[in-house]
Amino acid sequence: SQQGEEDPQALSIQEGENATMNCSYKTSINNLQWYRQNSGRGLVHLILIRSNEREKHSGRLRVTLDTSKKSSSLLITASRAADTASYFCATDGKAAGNKLTFGGGTRVLVKP
Amino acid sequence: DAGVIQSPRHEVTEMGQEVTLRCKPISGHNSLFWYRQTMMRGLELLIYFNNNVPIDDSGMPEDRFSAKMPNASFSTLKIQPSEPRDSAVYFCASSLGVDEQFFGPGTRLTVL
Repeated sequence: SQQGEEDPQALSIQEGENATMNCSYKTSINNLQWYRQNSGRGLVHLILIRSNEREKHSGRLRVTLDTSKKSSSLLITASRAADTASYFCATDGKAAGNKLTFGGGTRVLVKP
Repeated sequence: DAGVIQSPRHEVTEMGQEVTLRCKPISGHNSLFWYRQTMMRGLELLIYFNNNVPIDDSGMPEDRFSAKMPNASFSTLKIQPSEPRDSAVYFCASSLGVDEQFFGPGTRLTVL
């Protein structure tokens, strides 16, 4: 199975609500990244959190990392219709070099 | 910078034909990655290069797939002969070091 696994697989919310998605991984990491993919497009980097960090913010995004549980969460606050996309976590693994392993993604639908 | 450039954006070919996908990474980046994305298997890393040298090709499905990076500004992924199960979106990404990867728009390949 993949290093990173997102949960839930799909999420449907109303505009203005918060969206939370989780990522679990199996092996030790140097850092964990979150990416967004709009339909028919390439992935876009959102935020990176290092293994010695517990929480990070970027605009309406909040990422947490719990290395003891090997899990991370991505919170999007005050969601907008433009946030509709798939969100992927990616982990590097201590021995992986530059290589990232992506999870299966969470499809988020924000209804106006 | 124009970002990662991929060509063609769409390719439709018949089974047995050779397919060549092209990628121009962001200038100055030293790592280049080829991914394949399908509904069934998600986003898979096929191969990555560091300073034009292939580092990890364990994701290349079989001998029909080959990748080259003759210089820092160009890479190709070739499938010969192509099969219908190769139909997917192929992404190229580049990075400087081990952090954020920048993805191209992808090549949507359909093998009939």
